[in-house]
Amino acid sequence: EAGVAQSPRYKIIEKRQSVAFWCNPISGHATLYWYQQILGQGPKLLIQFQNNGVVDDSQLPKDRFSAERLKGVDSTLKIQPAKLEDSAVYLCASSLHGDREETQYFGPGTRLLVL
Amino acid sequence: QKEVEQDPGPLSVPEGAIVSLNCTYSNSAFQYFMWYRQYSRKGPELLMYTYSSGNKEDGRFTAQVDKSSKYISLFIRDSQPSDSATYLCAMKSPGGSNYKLTFGKGTLLTVNP
Repeated sequence: EAGVAQSPRYKIIEKRQSVAFWCNPISGHATLYWYQQILGQGPKLLIQFQNNGVVDDSQLPKDRFSAERLKGVDSTLKIQPAKLEDSAVYLCASSLHGDREETQYFGPGTRLLVL
Repeated sequence: QKEVEQDPGPLSVPEGAIVSLNCTYSNSAFQYFMWYRQYSRKGPELLMYTYSSGNKEDGRFTAQVDKSSKYISLFIRDSQPSDSATYLCAMKSPGGSNYKLTFGKGTLLTVNP
């Protein structure tokens, strides 16, 4: 079974530029998550999709971050404009239905450095 | 007070040692408790999952939950260099129609051969 795929793996941009990350979840997984992991911290949930609908985006900085999951499969996360404090690893995860006992499977992450 | 507290370490032990990793939490709504392992430059992978107080064993790993004290632990027996990674505790609580995962900061473990 193929895992969660993410691209790019690394990205360096200057502040105020925009950037986009892509995620392809495990086939058949209805629930998709985007996390932000700042160096030395645990992952923090940014947004959760159930199919193509948003379930939780309470911690997404909506003035600069946006995410979409068209057709309920792939997802993109965008930052515009980027700030220095956005430097982090952006992890995508997926699970079958998002139920309480389900495992979330994580991708390798996209490492973002904002200069 | 943070919802989940975890000592970031780093923790360095010799091969074969017993390792104890711990987390405390403040939110009584947490119902499910997990330990994830994260190798350098990789995503977290689930190691242990439990939802009741007590112990759960899987090979060299034992997860322990004490809900009355709001304290969880992960024990690694006969630690190996391949166990060197960051260990993240994580907890789930119900939130509307979904269950939200909250992570600790992670403890960096190095097992020296």
